[in-house]
Amino acid sequence: AQSVTQPDIHITVSEGASLELRCNYSYGATPYLFWYVQSPGQGLQLLLKYFSGDTLVQGIKGFEAEFKRSQSSFNLRKPSVHWSDAAEYFCAVGAGGSARQLTFGSGTQLTVLP
Amino acid sequence: DADVTQTPRNRITKTGKRIMLECSQTKGHDRMYWYRQDPGLGLRLIYYSFDVKDINKGEISDGYSVSRQAQAKFSLSLESAIPNQTALYFCATSVRDEQFFGPGTRLTVL
Repeated sequence: AQSVTQPDIHITVSEGASLELRCNYSYGATPYLFWYVQSPGQGLQLLLKYFSGDTLVQGIKGFEAEFKRSQSSFNLRKPSVHWSDAAEYFCAVGAGGSARQLTFGSGTQLTVLP
Repeated sequence: DADVTQTPRNRITKTGKRIMLECSQTKGHDRMYWYRQDPGLGLRLIYYSFDVKDINKGEISDGYSVSRQAQAKFSLSLESAIPNQTALYFCATSVRDEQFFGPGTRLTVL
């Protein structure tokens, strides 16, 4: 069975600083990988996804993620954080080569200091 | 209008009561899901349905039941609510490459 680990429960960064959120997955085949963001009081919104091809994936809101098979990682990055990026971020892995069944990590809460 | 809607958005109930959470979608997707979110645990799958006649248990189905009334409607029931079912509940739909989430229902069981 697949699993996802987000080692950082809570991260605090200053506005304008760079950001990296870590995600490690366990899955026997080529994974489908996702990053979702949950703003306070909102549902989950897809930031980006990786299925195959270029291992550097661009998403919405200036986010990108890099798939590293050798490290079983799919870390999310942003070069300059905005106050509106404060939210909870979830990494997920899809089984069976699709988004039909997702396993989510426990989430990373991002606080942005002015 | 939102593509995936959930009602109610907030609910407070008492132990032992029967509760139904409803989900509707206008996306035309066959696949629908119910998750619960607890702090520090992420989202865990309760039930999922790949079409009207296909219902499957997820990771944490005990204490819950579902009904797929139509392609667009998927309801979650707690037959006899207990305090540890206090959580944020999300409905979702999917196509092959993405899942789409509703705004969530915050349920408190006293």
